[in-house]
Amino acid sequence: NAGVTQTPKFQVLKTGQSMTLQCAQDMNHNSMYWYRQDPGMGLRLIYYSASEGTTDKGEVPNGYNVSRLNKREFSLRLESAAPSQTSVYFCASTKLGHMNTGELFFGEGSRLTVL
Amino acid sequence: QKEVEQNSGPLSVPEGAIASLNCTYSDRGSQSFFWYRQYSGKSPELIMFIYSNGDKEDGRFTAQLNKASQYVSLLIRDSQPSDSATYLCAVQGSARQLTFGSGTQLTVLP
Repeated sequence: NAGVTQTPKFQVLKTGQSMTLQCAQDMNHNSMYWYRQDPGMGLRLIYYSASEGTTDKGEVPNGYNVSRLNKREFSLRLESAAPSQTSVYFCASTKLGHMNTGELFFGEGSRLTVL
Repeated sequence: QKEVEQNSGPLSVPEGAIASLNCTYSDRGSQSFFWYRQYSGKSPELIMFIYSNGDKEDGRFTAQLNKASQYVSLLIRDSQPSDSATYLCAVQGSARQLTFGSGTQLTVLP
């Protein structure tokens, strides 16, 4: 039972490079989320998708784009990476409509370093 | 002012003691409250949620909610070294998004 799978787990980029973080869940969940976690800052919501076909900005969307490819997959793209985007990125999903239960299931995280 | 505030710690308690973790929030329209545990280098996992004022117990864990004071806490009884982790308070506000605190690092000393 894979749950929420994120790739890659580690990535080093140079300033200005682009990359896409992939996320897939096999729990038939409706809502999916991308968070970033920085020391002392907790988890901050970047973008979310309440259901297939919809995406919305969270607290810190600048510099990111997302695509809800289908019900299973939700990708996060950095078009022109900046050192301020060095962080650990978590994808998460939840079964019901947007935040009905609060039980988020998280992927293992993707550690991104931008030089 | 942050929307969800937690004492970052570190909080150290001896094995077998009660660990008390606290969280305050600013949005009076908040409806649901959650505690996640995160081991170092791992992803967060839900351990408790509470919707109503009062206490909710689950094994060694008790969540306490006081909406009038905008305060939620987590008590861990008979603390074990395996409880050593960062505990994240999360609040679902009136906008229905989940906002996380910065977490409290707990160390249980053998």
